[in-house]
Amino acid sequence: EVQLVESGGGLVQPGGSLRLSCAASGFTFSNYWMHWVRQAPGKGLVWVSRIKGDASSTTYADSVKGRFTISRDNAKNTLYLQMNSLRAEDTAVYYCARDPDQYSGGIWYSQFDYWGQGNLVTVSS
Amino acid sequence: DIQMTQSPSSLSASVGDRVTITCRASQRITSHLNWYQQKPGKAPELLISPTSTLQSGVPSRLSGSGSGTDFTLTISSLQPEDSATYYCQQSYSTPYTFGQGTKLEIK
Repeated sequence: EVQLVESGGGLVQPGGSLRLSCAASGFTFSNYWMHWVRQAPGKGLVWVSRIKGDASSTTYADSVKGRFTISRDNAKNTLYLQMNSLRAEDTAVYYCARDPDQYSGGIWYSQFDYWGQGNLVTVSS
Repeated sequence: DIQMTQSPSSLSASVGDRVTITCRASQRITSHLNWYQQKPGKAPELLISPTSTLQSGVPSRLSGSGSGTDFTLTISSLQPEDSATYYCQQSYSTPYTFGQGTKLEIK
């Protein structure tokens, strides 16, 4: 059974740092792209970042570029999001998600087929 | 960035009704369109990807269609458990943007 279990959220002051973790099980972690998606209270879903299975490629939303760092430890089957210089507008539930990047008809398709339970990050003084 | 616009933002319908949610991309995304369902306090769940392929376990009363810039999610006969917020998402290019969501309520 595929499971993604997040940890590391909480309350942090503006300008502070926090590291989220996402422990994966039930699949070969290193074969999958992984993503972080966030959702501010009462708002919609916003894609944050992604990392390739072998960690050779990362991409970020402009809103977090230079402040957040996505990484992974394939030996520990764990995804991370290091968040620095946090702002009030970073307050959200953060989800990790698996991306099988399926190949069909000569085209690669990205999709988020399994999600973690979500982890609330609150940035406030 | 590609903007995704869903309509309506909310709707209320009765059990057994046919419901359609529309998603429009600000530029062509071929068939790189996913649909998710989210219930309150829960993580989103993948329903359809890409465009019209139902994920395992998703009831056949749901269907997706479209290509290019215009896409639809249709529920042929609404059931009480379909009460949720639905999001479209483009996976054509990063940043992988979502629509603003459609909140579906059962009358």
